Amino acid sequence: DAGITQSPRHKVTETGTPVTLRCHQTENHRYMYWYRQDPGHGLRLIHYSYGVKDTDKGEVSDGYSVSRSKTEDFLLTLESATSSQTSVYFCAIGTSGQETQYFGPGTRLLVL
Amino acid sequence: GDSVTQMEGPVTLSEEAFLTINCTYTATGYPSLFWYVQYPGEGLQLLLKATKADDKGSNKGFEATYRKETTSFHLEKGSVQVSDSAVYFCALRFDTGRRALTFGSGTRLQVQP
Repeated sequence: DAGITQSPRHKVTETGTPVTLRCHQTENHRYMYWYRQDPGHGLRLIHYSYGVKDTDKGEVSDGYSVSRSKTEDFLLTLESATSSQTSVYFCAIGTSGQETQYFGPGTRLLVL
Repeated sequence: GDSVTQMEGPVTLSEEAFLTINCTYTATGYPSLFWYVQYPGEGLQLLLKATKADDKGSNKGFEATYRKETTSFHLEKGSVQVSDSAVYFCALRFDTGRRALTFGSGTRLQVQP
């Protein structure tokens, strides 16, 4: 299994509070991604990174920000959580050659 | 934009039945195509892939063929097992730019003994 972890694995928070999710890899892969999974939508791209300090938006980036100060860590921040951000969040990593993407175990977030 | 459409689930089959899960895509250009599987409570795992037209991906008895003419990548298995119960996602990806996956909505498969 690819060395990719996510923390926390589960979180309950209240509307309006900031939340940060962490993705950590030990594979030294260049590309890192944050997706959210919702019923009927599959997985949708929130943000991605193609190198340290190099990030860009995906299709559902509103209300989210990211940072990547080290190759191994990619942080996803909800500045002010809303109920619509209740979801399961998956991090993925990939090399430049992108033979495949490896997914983390997911973080289940509930915003009350 | 690019998109992937999968058949609605859930699909319920008896053990040893034949499985087909339909997947079609819309894209400008020729993406790579993938099937991912998600077992309960877990992340996604790559099941198989194909990178160009007429390629057949296969793994664990599952197969899918990249059909450019019909823009399809249907997943098949000749004899399903209870352990195949999971959610299956079809996805596409281009090998340039952001290289992110575009997923279908997923199809839940339940195999009964």
